[in-house]
Amino acid sequence: GESVGLHLPTLSVQEGDNSIINCAYSNSASDYFIWYKQESGKGPQFIIDIRSNMDKRQGQRVTVLLNKTVKHLSLQIAATQPGDSAVYFCAETFSGNTGKLIFGQGTTLQVKP
Amino acid sequence: GAGVSQSPRYKVAKRGQDVALRCDPISGHVSLFWYQQALGQGPEFLTYFQNEAQLDKSGLPSDRFFAERPEGSVSTLKIQRTQQEDSAVYLCASSLKGKGSPLHFGNGTRLTVT
Repeated sequence: GESVGLHLPTLSVQEGDNSIINCAYSNSASDYFIWYKQESGKGPQFIIDIRSNMDKRQGQRVTVLLNKTVKHLSLQIAATQPGDSAVYFCAETFSGNTGKLIFGQGTTLQVKP
Repeated sequence: GAGVSQSPRYKVAKRGQDVALRCDPISGHVSLFWYQQALGQGPEFLTYFQNEAQLDKSGLPSDRFFAERPEGSVSTLKIQRTQQEDSAVYLCASSLKGKGSPLHFGNGTRLTVT
């Protein structure tokens, strides 16, 4: 499944399909980006990060793509599993600040068995 | 433990009471952050410490909110004269260096003000 908009609050996919979660960031000076996964009752869990001098980074079953031209970030999850069901947040930080992360609103991923 | 530890996990306070929330960061992590997360929202930055120095408190919503990290390790977030709008999950995060390194979050303290 693929999200149809940059701010879609919920994404529903079939188990085994690939998921794509999108995020638009606002600050052109942002130079470091992180994707977090948050399950109910838990704190955000680090998934993958990327710096602004890269446009793609891969992890285990996950890939982050960065398009600085349109200030867009995406998280691709391969072969989505029920355990991937959670809220996903993108976060950014920009040069000159303390390293604090600015979070987006989040996308809920629902995986149907 | 290996992760960021926060206590208590849940706190119920009557309006007007003072509360103190504790954070034990990952050992050796220089940077410590506090965030507030309302239901259905992303975490919002409150304050940042580098060792014992509070370098950024721009996110604290009012002077009722106070944070400290006196020995550069454990941190406490104190909220005086709690109001209903203070009800939220308070998340603590630490990172090895600060800028350019990922934040590792605890599971938060859920504060409910009645």
